[in-house]
Amino acid sequence: DAEITQSPRHKITETGRQVTLACHQTWNHNNMFWYRQDLGHGLRLIHYSYGVQDTNKGEVSDGYSVSRSNTEDLPLTLESAASSQTSVYFCASSESGTYGYTFGSGTRLTVV
Amino acid sequence: QKEVEQNSGPLSVPEGAIASLNCTYSDRGSQSFFWYRQYSGKSPELIMFIYSNGDKEDGRFTAQLNKASQYVSLLIRDSQPSDSATYLCAVINYQLIWGAGTKLIIKP
Repeated sequence: DAEITQSPRHKITETGRQVTLACHQTWNHNNMFWYRQDLGHGLRLIHYSYGVQDTNKGEVSDGYSVSRSNTEDLPLTLESAASSQTSVYFCASSESGTYGYTFGSGTRLTVV
Repeated sequence: QKEVEQNSGPLSVPEGAIASLNCTYSDRGSQSFFWYRQYSGKSPELIMFIYSNGDKEDGRFTAQLNKASQYVSLLIRDSQPSDSATYLCAVINYQLIWGAGTKLIIKP
């Protein structure tokens, strides 16, 4: 069965370190998204991609970067982790917007 | 700014009753409308989507869309304790805009 997987499920890192969160989907979806979810803020879009070599900034992109070298993967990099980036991160993919998004299981990141 | 508004709740409903969740949106160009369910500590999962005015039924769930009034609702009939979750409304024109969610509690 097709799926979207995120790794790691939990991560603790220190302030200032570079961290990469992985997202891998086997749906063959062109569209992939990264969100963060915090209490009181709901889902906030960090970056998104509509295809290989395409990346776009979302509403909370500062301090984050992504790259899309193939259809299956969209890794999210925190260049220099900050305590404000402690959050739950969700990756999602979609065939097109009209069909809704499929989410990964999430990564809980703690920056200490 | 395009917005999707939901009452944060919690909305408490007795088991077996109908739960009614509402969502309003600001972008009149919105084309597709989605309801996601998110259990605590889990990822959102799509439960309903609707494109056209009117009702769409799927088992115990009914989505209702009124584009003129810019609202979409989700009815859950015969509510079960397993329906207790946060329900997220999302609408799309060129991008998906999310509501903050309504926490639903079904009391046995």
